[in-house]
Amino acid sequence: GEDVEQSLFLSVREGDSSVINCTYTDSSSTYLYWYKQEPGAGLQLLTYIFSNMDMKQDQRLTVLLNKKDKHLSLRIADTQTGDSAIYFCAEIDSGAGSYQLTFGKGTKLSVIP
Amino acid sequence: DVKVTQSSRYLVKRTGEKVFLECVQDMDHENMFWYRQDPGLGLRLIYFSYDVKMKEKGDIPEGYSVSREKKERFSLILESASTNQTSMYLCASSPQRGTTQLTYEQYFGPGTRLTVT
Repeated sequence: GEDVEQSLFLSVREGDSSVINCTYTDSSSTYLYWYKQEPGAGLQLLTYIFSNMDMKQDQRLTVLLNKKDKHLSLRIADTQTGDSAIYFCAEIDSGAGSYQLTFGKGTKLSVIP
Repeated sequence: DVKVTQSSRYLVKRTGEKVFLECVQDMDHENMFWYRQDPGLGLRLIYFSYDVKMKEKGDIPEGYSVSREKKERFSLILESASTNQTSMYLCASSPQRGTTQLTYEQYFGPGTRLTVT
């Protein structure tokens, strides 16, 4: 079945850039997503990228997609303490009739003041 | 503004009790999902529903059942709670394919942290 892999922890200093990486196995992935979960809360969609795109930028967030290597990354510029959270990568194959997202286990980002 | 609400943020139950977790969405979504989240294991899908009275097992359905009598409401039932069901439970919804929204993302509720003692 499909699999999505992420490293579990990342620690950065406030003001630096954070890069969270994700790899996936499903070559039919249509959309790939980044969700953010703050402590004690549900998941909030941060951004998504369609599989025919290489990059998407939204303010401090940059998503890069390497389809050949099935690698997705999320870059957060000028990381702030409010960015401390768990970040989940997820993918869907919208052509397969499934309504399910496949999630990674999440990367816990800690921002050091 | 889209909204998924869950009946409780925190719940403490005793082993053997029957537990109901309620989820309501106001976006007229067809699909609804129940996940549990545990440290180091990420999100695991328990059950999902793509229509009223329809349900499908996810990856870990054992010990759980669900009910979807109305489109906006999806209930998760623990028939006889056990300590290994202590977890964070997350509900989500998403629109059906073919609707105007094309990105298929799921919208999540705030979660219910259930402790079974």
